[in-house]
Amino acid sequence: DTAVSQTPKYLVTQMGNDKSIKCEQNLGHDTMYWYKQDSKKFLKIMFSYNNKELIINETVPNRFSPKSPDKAHLNLHINSLELGDSAVYFCASSHRGLAPSYNEQFFGPGTRLTVL
Amino acid sequence: KNEVEQSPQNLTAQEGEFITINCSYSVGISALHWLQQHPGGGIVSLFMLSSGKKKHGRLIATINIQEKHSSLHITASHPRDSAVYICAVFSRVWGGGADGLTFGKGTHLIIQP
Repeated sequence: DTAVSQTPKYLVTQMGNDKSIKCEQNLGHDTMYWYKQDSKKFLKIMFSYNNKELIINETVPNRFSPKSPDKAHLNLHINSLELGDSAVYFCASSHRGLAPSYNEQFFGPGTRLTVL
Repeated sequence: KNEVEQSPQNLTAQEGEFITINCSYSVGISALHWLQQHPGGGIVSLFMLSSGKKKHGRLIATINIQEKHSSLHITASHPRDSAVYICAVFSRVWGGGADGLTFGKGTHLIIQP
């Protein structure tokens, strides 16, 4: 059973298009995250959702919008794609509690986005 | 904002060698992750630490909260340990009251047979 799944695994598209990446977790976690890994393999947080409420929005262009229909899903919508959006996008989930042991994050397999 | 520094950036060693990867961070944290990313791209959490030491098989992770430093050790290294190892810190208060993971740039480890 896959704990955190993402679709699609690969996404190739033209500049200017709008695309979505889906993420689902079956771990019963209450917080989900989106991370971007650039061409130099550096990971950076983009968003997190806790109980359907956005709690981080780190200097990300507003072309990117997370949508969470329920606490098991956090989808990433990207409008007007640009060349610089090419990267690997990882979804993750965790509990969000006061005790650090609740905060271990579980990652999805990643979605490699290529903008031509 | 927390700054996370890892060293070394690249490490090539012979099979069987004892490996140490270091991580330092600038701001107090609630927990620290050690992550592994294989060439295929998937990210796996190896350890999450908030104090002391953890051991899993040939992997050992330690953290010194006062010195803001953690180490990941691999004993009897094997070519299958070849991967990128990433340190990430979780801060409860970060960037205007929010929280999340801040990552180091990773250590690219190659173990040669």
